Amino acid sequence: AQSVSQHNHHVILSEAASLELGCNYSYGGTVNLFWYVQYPGQHLQLLLKYFSGDPLVKGIKGFEAEFIKSKFSFNLRKPSVQWSDTAEYFCAVTLMDTGRRALTFGSGTRLQVQP
Amino acid sequence: SQTIHQWPATLVQPVGSPLSLECTVEGTSNPNLYWYRQAAGRGLQLLFYSVGIGQISSEVPQNLSASRPQDRQFILSSKKLLLSDSGFYLCAWSVRQGRTEAFFGQGTRLTVV
Repeated sequence: AQSVSQHNHHVILSEAASLELGCNYSYGGTVNLFWYVQYPGQHLQLLLKYFSGDPLVKGIKGFEAEFIKSKFSFNLRKPSVQWSDTAEYFCAVTLMDTGRRALTFGSGTRLQVQP
Repeated sequence: SQTIHQWPATLVQPVGSPLSLECTVEGTSNPNLYWYRQAAGRGLQLLFYSVGIGQISSEVPQNLSASRPQDRQFILSSKKLLLSDSGFYLCAWSVRQGRTEAFFGQGTRLTVV
């Protein structure tokens, strides 16, 4: 079965530090890829998405992610984090060849940004 | 615009009691609907998904069931809750064709005591 791995479970950074959160998936076919964010006390929100085309996608709040097909990866990056980026981040994938449209999620990465 | 409503926000239920969580979507037709459970450190686990009225697919064997009595209504149920059913339950929807991003409700925190 397909799976999504997020190797960083808890990341602590200082403000202005650069961020990279890893995401790898195990599926050889066509995928749609997503990063969702859950701020404390809020619902899950879509941060950015990749469907096709340019493998470097930009999302809200200065986040970006790069799809590297050969590495089955979709890492999330931000050059300079802010305290308000403190949240839990989830990587997710849908398998386009199977017709199964449900998202498969990684286990999440809790990001704590210290002022 | 589309909105998704999920209620209640929090629920405390005794072991052995029944459960009914409701989710409705507005502003779209024929959505795919999903129930997920979120556990700390384990991400979101897909419980059920539905591609149409009365069509339910179950992802994991468990004490829960789902129903879709109307196009934009999705219900999560249990006849007798277990302690292990405690968790955070999320409803989501996506369009039937095309792009697959899902949109989530606010979630229900269920505590079984």
